[in-house]
Amino acid sequence: GAVVSQHPSRVICKSGTSVKIECRSLDFQATTMFWYRQFPKKSLMLMATSNEGSKATYEQGVEKDKFLINHASLTLSTLTVTSAHPEDSSFYICSASSRDGIMQETQYFGPGTRLLVL
Amino acid sequence: AQSVTQLDSHVSVSEGTPVLLRCNYSSSYSPSLFWYVQHPNKGLQLLLKYTSAATLVKGINGFEAEFKKSETSFHLTKPSAHMSDAAEYFCVVTFTGNQFYFGTGTSLTVIP
Repeated sequence: GAVVSQHPSRVICKSGTSVKIECRSLDFQATTMFWYRQFPKKSLMLMATSNEGSKATYEQGVEKDKFLINHASLTLSTLTVTSAHPEDSSFYICSASSRDGIMQETQYFGPGTRLLVL
Repeated sequence: AQSVTQLDSHVSVSEGTPVLLRCNYSSSYSPSLFWYVQHPNKGLQLLLKYTSAATLVKGINGFEAEFKKSETSFHLTKPSAHMSDAAEYFCVVTFTGNQFYFGTGTSLTVIP
């Protein structure tokens, strides 16, 4: 149980285009989803937290107009990198948590999406 | 202020020897603590978690961790390292269930 998927696993795009990354909780309802960015050999940097049906809360320094987050249902959140530039190239990881029972307070991570902007 | 510290950025052990990865937290609240493992180009996998039940927590792949409130520690151990254990390990703490604090990670190398 508690499986989180991400799609796509890898994406290459041209500078200036937009890329959408999906994060799905496959066997539980995710009341909260988190989006992280990870640089090589570094820890995870939290970008934003989203609760189903409400606007995402962005961390300081993260441009909300550039990284659009939508959490429209209890099993799906999307991150759209708008007008991507080479410096946006990174490994993006989502996680999901639930308020229910034993899953409470635990984050379950997706496998990550490798974005390369040319 | 709440924080979590992983004391070693790199740990190397020989295959078959014990593993110790250290994690300390600072907070005046009662935490929930987690250890995650990340293999290259993969997401994070939950190894184990402590949420105010038994202080000695057993996880997957033979790992366990002990919550010591007096030392504000949650060190990860394994009696005998396997080559497949080579990965990055993250200690994570939450106090509210809404905000999570990540350690900077410990890279474990297992020498054959």
